[in-house]
Amino acid sequence: ILNVEQSPQSLHVQEGDSTNFTCSFPSSNFYALHWYRWETAKSPEALFVMTLNGDEKKKGRISATLNTKEGYSYLYIKGSQPEDSATYLCASHGQNFVFGPGTRLSVLP
Amino acid sequence: DTAVSQTPKYLVTQMGNDKSIKCEQNLGHDTMYWYKQDSKKFLKIMFSYNNKELIINETVPNRFSPKSPDKAHLNLHINSLELGDSAVYFCASSQDNHPLNTIYFGEGSWLTVV
Repeated sequence: ILNVEQSPQSLHVQEGDSTNFTCSFPSSNFYALHWYRWETAKSPEALFVMTLNGDEKKKGRISATLNTKEGYSYLYIKGSQPEDSATYLCASHGQNFVFGPGTRLSVLP
Repeated sequence: DTAVSQTPKYLVTQMGNDKSIKCEQNLGHDTMYWYKQDSKKFLKIMFSYNNKELIINETVPNRFSPKSPDKAHLNLHINSLELGDSAVYFCASSQDNHPLNTIYFGEGSWLTVV
């Protein structure tokens, strides 16, 4: 993997569903992985920063894991709510700080 | 209080004009950035300044020139605007340029070149 990739590009879930999405990044020269939440017409807001293989972070219903050996991170949202609707960006800091294209989440009431 | 503020939020201008976007952060951070959201919605780093000194200068046309009068401000000047410069530009800051530091973003400036 040469770039930071995220999947899926977008998804729609029903309120109350749990969901997860993936960030893939180059595992060589890796230093840190950031997750941001970006609501329309607002600025991206930091969720988590992780650096060690096996790191897990949690904030309320949102959690994230990190696998630096294989170069991926998962973001989980438990019991999705309409206010969770946003684009979720990951960014990998290796030689440079590179953002992925984001996963656009829509939670339907 | 807005931590990272940038002005103007919207700017419509004609090709060939010179324009500036201002950015200020009140977080006491040492590092500031300019990002461009490209047509595919990627956030791409343009410039990074640490304590008023340029530390990252990605491949951008030299019509783009950042200016940092002090470490709380990083303004973006664009000369001879072209249609392809139309994009959303985000200013950001972090405590310093350590990879573990959170980046705080402004709300973006929508530039439209006609």
